[in-house]
Amino acid sequence: AQSVAQPEDQVNVAEGNPLTVKCTYSVSGNPYLFWYVQYPNRGLQFLLKYITGDNLVKGSYGFEAEFNKSQTSFHLKKPSALVSDSALYFCAVRESSGAGSYQLTFGKGTKLSVIP
Amino acid sequence: EPEVTQTPSHQVTQMGQEVILRCVPISNHLYFYWYRQILGQKVEFLVSFYNNEISEKSEIFDDQFSVERPDGSNFTLKIRSTKLEDSAMYFCASSLTSGVTYEQYFGPGTRLTVT
Repeated sequence: AQSVAQPEDQVNVAEGNPLTVKCTYSVSGNPYLFWYVQYPNRGLQFLLKYITGDNLVKGSYGFEAEFNKSQTSFHLKKPSALVSDSALYFCAVRESSGAGSYQLTFGKGTKLSVIP
Repeated sequence: EPEVTQTPSHQVTQMGQEVILRCVPISNHLYFYWYRQILGQKVEFLVSFYNNEISEKSEIFDDQFSVERPDGSNFTLKIRSTKLEDSAMYFCASSLTSGVTYEQYFGPGTRLTVT
């Protein structure tokens, strides 16, 4: 069974500082990994994904994430945080070996607050 | 940018009543999904739907739940007899394909409160 852990319920960072939102995963095969962001009263918006290839993937709004197979992690990063980045962030995994399996497994979410 | 829409945004119902949650997926998408999130817990997969039939469902999706695509635009989730534990945020999602690199696009959710 696949699972995702986001160890921090909340992350606070000062505007202009780098931010990291942590995610670790567990799958029996190779993972496909995703980050989504949720703003108040909005749906989950896709940010970026890791399928294969370079361990550092770049996504929307200046976000990037680093896939680390040995640590089974996929941390979300941004070099310089903006107040507008304040939102709820979800990490999700899909197992590549699950033929015909469509479901994403999500973490609990991390609330990011960027302080002006 | 096309979006997934959901109605209503908030539904309050009494235990034992039937509810129908509605979703309009992105127009050219072919795969549809329902997820739910109980307050303070993880987003959980309920069901996926393609070509007018269920492709996959989780343990949560028991006989009390059903899905339907009644016309070319709507995708509905019906809960036949609601229980208190069905109170949650329900998210609809859609994707263009089921290919391994697909992204699912999510709606804003319907908050269901069962009293």
